[in-house]
Amino acid sequence: DAKTTQPPSMDCAEGRAANLPCNHSTISGNEYVYWYRQIHSQGPQYIIHGLKNNETNEMASLIITEDRKSSTLILPHATLRDTAVYYCIAAINAGNMLTFGGGTRLMVKP
Amino acid sequence: DAGVIQSPRHEVTEMGQEVTLRCKPISGHDYLFWYRQTMMRGLELLIYFNNNVPIDDSGMPEDRFSAKMPNASFSTLKIQPSEPRDSAVYFCASSLGPAQETQYFGPGTRLLVL
Repeated sequence: DAKTTQPPSMDCAEGRAANLPCNHSTISGNEYVYWYRQIHSQGPQYIIHGLKNNETNEMASLIITEDRKSSTLILPHATLRDTAVYYCIAAINAGNMLTFGGGTRLMVKP
Repeated sequence: DAGVIQSPRHEVTEMGQEVTLRCKPISGHDYLFWYRQTMMRGLELLIYFNNNVPIDDSGMPEDRFSAKMPNASFSTLKIQPSEPRDSAVYFCASSLGPAQETQYFGPGTRLLVL
């Protein structure tokens, strides 16, 4: 699996969009970009994933650059409950082995 | 569906004792994963099973750790003898298969070895 790089921490104001970046410059053509989050004391939770195209679901949007070397997870209207560690993972599939890095600790502030 | 079930949720034991962590995956899931999370090392994959067979145990730290999956609905992770450095949160996860979009994680077992 390709290595990913994320900022260790970010702050966001409640109600504003949270944009979490991820670099994956060595990603291979068949690797997806997956995002998970871990709220304090809970197990990681799947958010979204994508290969080339931008993706959106009820939780978030994922923007992948055309060269696929980086991506951004967007939480359109962050709430206090979105405070968590967000992990960006490059993997052929998430049903198999996942390698978690350090993630980004997002703090949503009132 | 109840999701992935782990027990106990908390375990405190003394160094040298045997510890057994238990996991019940989501019904119908063919893959089961054991992870360990510490402040120093983050979230690490220890071992995973496919159809009850261990596929990759390269993440198991040493011989004191062993994992079994006697049937599709139950797995154990055993530490014998336990040491203080084994203190961590241990997560179990399951998935439908390699092409699926996600693993589903349990709530974790918080282990403290004194």
